[in-house]
Amino acid sequence: GAVVSQHPSRVICKSGTSVKIECRSLDFQATTMFWYRQFPKQSLMLMATSNEGSKATYEQGVEKDKFLINHASLTLSTLTVTSAHPEDSSFYICSASTETNEKLFFGSGTQLSVL
Amino acid sequence: GENVEQHPSTLSVQEGDSAVIKCTYSDSASNYFPWYKQELGKRPQLIIDIRSNVGEKKDQRIAVTLNKTAKHFSLHITETQPEDSAVYFCAASNGNTGNQFYFGTGTSLTVIP
Repeated sequence: GAVVSQHPSRVICKSGTSVKIECRSLDFQATTMFWYRQFPKQSLMLMATSNEGSKATYEQGVEKDKFLINHASLTLSTLTVTSAHPEDSSFYICSASTETNEKLFFGSGTQLSVL
Repeated sequence: GENVEQHPSTLSVQEGDSAVIKCTYSDSASNYFPWYKQELGKRPQLIIDIRSNVGEKKDQRIAVTLNKTAKHFSLHITETQPEDSAVYFCAASNGNTGNQFYFGTGTSLTVIP
């Protein structure tokens, strides 16, 4: 299947700093990427839909100035958590759909811990 | 929009027994239903999927059934093994490239050796 790479896998940062997470589709072009947040033992919560070359579409309740998404190319989308606070600590996962069909493949996730 | 419900939230079975997880959806436009398996701290992995023009699909010990009229679909795992222990998510989408996927709340499956 298609491969989606996500980095870093784990990051610990101080409160007030910004953290950038990268999501890459390695062997296919992803017109659309999705960003999720997942709390322990809970489902995937869609944060935003990222379309190449255009502004991301954020879900209700997700602060666009807090979670900056850039989808600069067909293979790369980034999520920047700005001025991170302890309540932003979570598991963040990206996914991408292939250009030829609708299947969804996930990145390996990023565990963010804000001290 | 679409609303996907999943039951049960937790499921324990003895090794070798079968496990069944059920999902319902609300949007009749949904026509693609994947199932994902997620181990702790890892990415969800697609294990099987089904489209609305098919009623059942099987892949070795895993099968999925779809009742489009009733808007529900189920995951069946036979001859369960300890390595089947994970969280399973169902999802629904209308199958268009780039369209949203709506996820169920997950089922934590434990297979007891």
